Amino acid sequence: AQKVTQAQTEISVVEKEDVTLDCVYETRDTTYYLFWYKQPPSGELVFLIRRNSFDEQNEISGRYSWNFQKSTSSFNFTITASQVVDSAVYFCALSEVDDKIIFGKGTRLHILP
Amino acid sequence: ETGVTQTPRHLVMGMTNKKSLKCEQHLGHNAMYWYKQSAKKPLELMFVYNFKEQTENNSVPSRFSPECPNSSHLFLHLHTLQPEDSALYLCASSQKREAAIGELFFGEGSRLTVL
Repeated sequence: AQKVTQAQTEISVVEKEDVTLDCVYETRDTTYYLFWYKQPPSGELVFLIRRNSFDEQNEISGRYSWNFQKSTSSFNFTITASQVVDSAVYFCALSEVDDKIIFGKGTRLHILP
Repeated sequence: ETGVTQTPRHLVMGMTNKKSLKCEQHLGHNAMYWYKQSAKKPLELMFVYNFKEQTENNSVPSRFSPECPNSSHLFLHLHTLQPEDSALYLCASSQKREAAIGELFFGEGSRLTVL
């Protein structure tokens, strides 16, 4: 069965620090997709990234970077030089092909000024 | 301006009331979804519509009744709810049903409180 675990319920860091959000997943399939979404205080989830299981190349987008490691079934998200606007709840999610997206419980990130 | 608009943003209702949540997407997508977000629980998929046809009902109680008159509009009709139904209800849309292929676009949610 599919499962997404975000062990960190809440994290607080001081602005400009780097922070890594952990995500561990379980799936029976060899083909699957991993996602990260951001939910700011306004409520809507905002798509950040999608990764398919055959692409283990790490990705960097500005201050955001993602580390996908199939050997440990992890898809971690790092924010470099964090800013107050990064404060939000971040969700990791998993989908097997043609199946629904399963979300983790989310990690609430507080960036302190 | 968000591509997915939900109204009302906040709703307080008694257990005997009947109310509806509305979702409208301006993105030309063909699939629409209702999710429930409760405190300290993962996002729960409730219903999926693809080209106006319901393709998934995730064992949701019948006191929640979805309606999708066209690909741009999605409703969630509520009646005889329970206090444990209080939650943030999120609407989302995607280009096509296979959400694994495309990203989901979410509205800001309707915060429901059942007294």
